[in-house]
Amino acid sequence: GAGVSQSPRYKVAKRGQDVALRCDPISGHVSLFWYQQALGQGPEFLTYFQNEAQLDKSGLPSDRFFAERPEGSVSTLKIQRTQQEDSAVYLCASSSSGGDNEQFFGPGTRLTVL
Amino acid sequence: AQTVTQSQPEMSVQEAETVTLSCTYDTSESDYYLFWYKQPPSRQMILVIRQEAYKQQNATENRFSVNFQKAAKSFSLKISDSQLGDAAMYFCAYRSSYNTDKLIFGTGTRLQVFP
Repeated sequence: GAGVSQSPRYKVAKRGQDVALRCDPISGHVSLFWYQQALGQGPEFLTYFQNEAQLDKSGLPSDRFFAERPEGSVSTLKIQRTQQEDSAVYLCASSSSGGDNEQFFGPGTRLTVL
Repeated sequence: AQTVTQSQPEMSVQEAETVTLSCTYDTSESDYYLFWYKQPPSRQMILVIRQEAYKQQNATENRFSVNFQKAAKSFSLKISDSQLGDAAMYFCAYRSSYNTDKLIFGTGTRLQVFP
């Protein structure tokens, strides 16, 4: 079956541009997570959705970061007025529910801000 | 706040040998989950093994096993009979049982496997 997919796989933006990163979770997965992985680091949590509700956005680094999942399926992470420090791989993960259910990760979007 | 520490940035092992990757964590919670994830160069993170804190028995998945020491807050990964395909970044991760299911990752250990 299809796994988590993300698009685009690579994105180059000029400083100050807005970008939108898309995540298609595994069909039927209730929970969706976004993580940011800087070069040489482990992923860091950004935000969490349960269906369409954004239950935790404590990891979003600034108000330039915004995520949505309007129909409880596809999610978009938007970064406004990109800065060089936003350069990272953005990972999306989904799981069927809470408890000990496994999070399945997508391949990530590598964002480079020039 | 919970933290996860991986003190070995790089490790290497010869094919067919055994290697142990270290992980320590800090938490005041009594119930939680611990994970080891593998991230090959293609970047897709794959779950290797998980451990529930309330279980005393160490988890095992084929060639992968953990040494979970709850009192010491230690969670090491042992890879037996190492294969070339085991070469990757390995991340230790923590998840609370009490709030958001977010994962808290360590900084990773790069494992090289030599033939």
